[in-house]
Amino acid sequence: NAGVTQTPKFRILKIGQSMTLQCTQDMNHNYMYWYRQDPGMGLKLIYYSVGAGITDKGEVPNGYNVSRSTTEDFPLRLELAAPSQTSVYFCASSYDLRLGAAKNIQYFGAGTRLSVL
Amino acid sequence: GENVEQHPSTLSVQEGDSAVIKCTYSDSASNYFPWYKQELGKRPQLIIDIRSNVGEKKDQRIAVTLNKTAKHFSLHITETQPEDSAVYFCAASPNTGGFKTIFGAGTRLFVKA
Repeated sequence: NAGVTQTPKFRILKIGQSMTLQCTQDMNHNYMYWYRQDPGMGLKLIYYSVGAGITDKGEVPNGYNVSRSTTEDFPLRLELAAPSQTSVYFCASSYDLRLGAAKNIQYFGAGTRLSVL
Repeated sequence: GENVEQHPSTLSVQEGDSAVIKCTYSDSASNYFPWYKQELGKRPQLIIDIRSNVGEKKDQRIAVTLNKTAKHFSLHITETQPEDSAVYFCAASPNTGGFKTIFGAGTRLFVKA
């Protein structure tokens, strides 16, 4: 299994531009998450999804949108990029339906480093 | 809303000494407490976890303790090594269908050789 794959690894945007951060997982996890991590800070939950077709807001959803059309993919959309969105973005997934919900271990992607100038 | 507080924010120890990181959570419904290690420029990775029906768990040089009454849990690293230098995050997961995990702000651990 590749685990959780994020693309791109790095991106520079101009203020007002839009982009989509891609995230895919091949572990048959039904839960997926997007976090942002500002320099020297912890992880803040942006959006999460408990399954295909279901998404919900986390702690810091403003300025972002998500969709979950398949179990594998959970893209994050920035519509009008702002300097405050400069951060490292991590996608994560958890809960293997084949094993049962014994633990909510989250597996993280390698991250996308985004700068908005 | 739910909150997880983590202390200290920075911890510096001599190689071979022990390191302790403490966390407090607010949501009484939390029943799963993972700890993640994040090396510089890398993704967070789970190092140990504990469920609310257990008071202590150990895995080689790392251990976690939980006091559910006081809503405290701690990470203990013994015989620290330079490769233990990283940022450590505690987290609390509520017993809800959303499995939403709240992370602490992180502790930057420096192990001096």
